[in-house]
Amino acid sequence: VQLVESGGGLVQPGGSLRLSCAASRFAIGNYWMTWVRQAPGKGLEWVASINDIGSQKQYVDSVKGRFIVSRDNGKNSLFLQMSTLRAEDTAVYYCVTGRYSHGYWGQGTLVTVSS
Amino acid sequence: EIVLTQSPGTLSLSPGERATLSCRASQNLGGSSLAWYQQKPGQAPRLLVYNISSRYTGIPDRFSGSGSGTDFTLTISRLEPEDFAVYFCQQCVSSAITFGQGTRLEIK
Repeated sequence: VQLVESGGGLVQPGGSLRLSCAASRFAIGNYWMTWVRQAPGKGLEWVASINDIGSQKQYVDSVKGRFIVSRDNGKNSLFLQMSTLRAEDTAVYYCVTGRYSHGYWGQGTLVTVSS
Repeated sequence: EIVLTQSPGTLSLSPGERATLSCRASQNLGGSSLAWYQQKPGQAPRLLVYNISSRYTGIPDRFSGSGSGTDFTLTISRLEPEDFAVYFCQQCVSSAITFGQGTRLEIK
């Protein structure tokens, strides 16, 4: 199983960014998928989860109304659309399997929000 | 939001010793819904234990999880050099999933 995130980078406060996660050797279509982030030198924070068909989405309070999680099972991909970004959103964002007890993790993509 | 408090913040032990890591929840988690992860520098976390006491695929049996209600423990029976890392607990009872702040296990 391989999960590869992309789309991270440097963005100004108030800006937007779209993260992608491509899965290989694993069909995400039967599973919840989740984004977890980790600020530099800090702990883990659950960000958002989406069920297998995309009908249920859950978010941490701090990103509600700003982030949207979505998926394309046909392309075996997961996405995170981030808008109105803040300095406190700076982190490595991991794509992970499952809503909980995440058995597979990507290598992460770094998002830096700074002027 | 359910808050998970891990203790101690840092644990200093020697290889061969037994490690006991604690995770306390601010609300009752019932009989399942708690997981443990290990993270080494520069790496993504790795799932060790799920549903309180079930070891994930490929995890050595020196790792064991226990507890119920609000108090949970990860025990490493006999520390190997590769076990020195940061450990996180995670709960999913509520719709807002949360992690503990982590325990750093360092070589004494």
